[in-house]
Amino acid sequence: AQSVTQPDIHITVSEGASLELRCNYSYGATPYLFWYVQSPGQGLQLLLKYFSGDTLVQGIKGFEAEFKRSQSSFNLRKPSVHWSDAAEYFCAVGAFTGGGNKLTFGTGTQLKVEL
Amino acid sequence: DTAVSQTPKYLVTQMGNDKSIKCEQNLGHDTMYWYKQDSKKFLKIMFSYNNKELIINETVPNRFSPKSPDKAHLNLHINSLELGDSAVYFCASSLATGELFFGEGSRLTVL
Repeated sequence: AQSVTQPDIHITVSEGASLELRCNYSYGATPYLFWYVQSPGQGLQLLLKYFSGDTLVQGIKGFEAEFKRSQSSFNLRKPSVHWSDAAEYFCAVGAFTGGGNKLTFGTGTQLKVEL
Repeated sequence: DTAVSQTPKYLVTQMGNDKSIKCEQNLGHDTMYWYKQDSKKFLKIMFSYNNKELIINETVPNRFSPKSPDKAHLNLHINSLELGDSAVYFCASSLATGELFFGEGSRLTVL
């Protein structure tokens, strides 16, 4: 069964500083990996996804993530954080089954941005 | 134009009642899902339907009954509500091999 670990429950960074959120996955085959962001009281918005190909993927809002098979990781990065990036971030691994994509989520990392 | 819309957004009810949450998507996707987010923000899949057929059914109490009248709608009916059912329920949709698009969630509070 697939699983996702996000080791950092909370992270605080200063506005303008760089950011890296960690994600490790467990999956028996080629993983399909996702990062979603959830602002307070909102639904989840897709930041980026990895299906195959280039291991460095670009997403919306200036985010990128790198798939490292040897480390079973898919860490999210941003070179310069904005105050509006404060939110909950979820990493997920997908399994395509029977016509659907069963996403297994990590427990999330709450990002706070200090002005 | 909301891609995945859920109603109601907030629901407060007494233990033992029956309630429904409705979901509609206008993305033309074949697959729809219900996820539950608990108080610690952990997200777990409950059900998934592809073209009105149930394809994923996690270990959810049978008090929860999804219904998909067509591929654009997936409703969730909950019987005999319990305190532990309090959560935010998210509807989502996707193509068969694509990313999920989520609604804004329905916060259910059982008193």
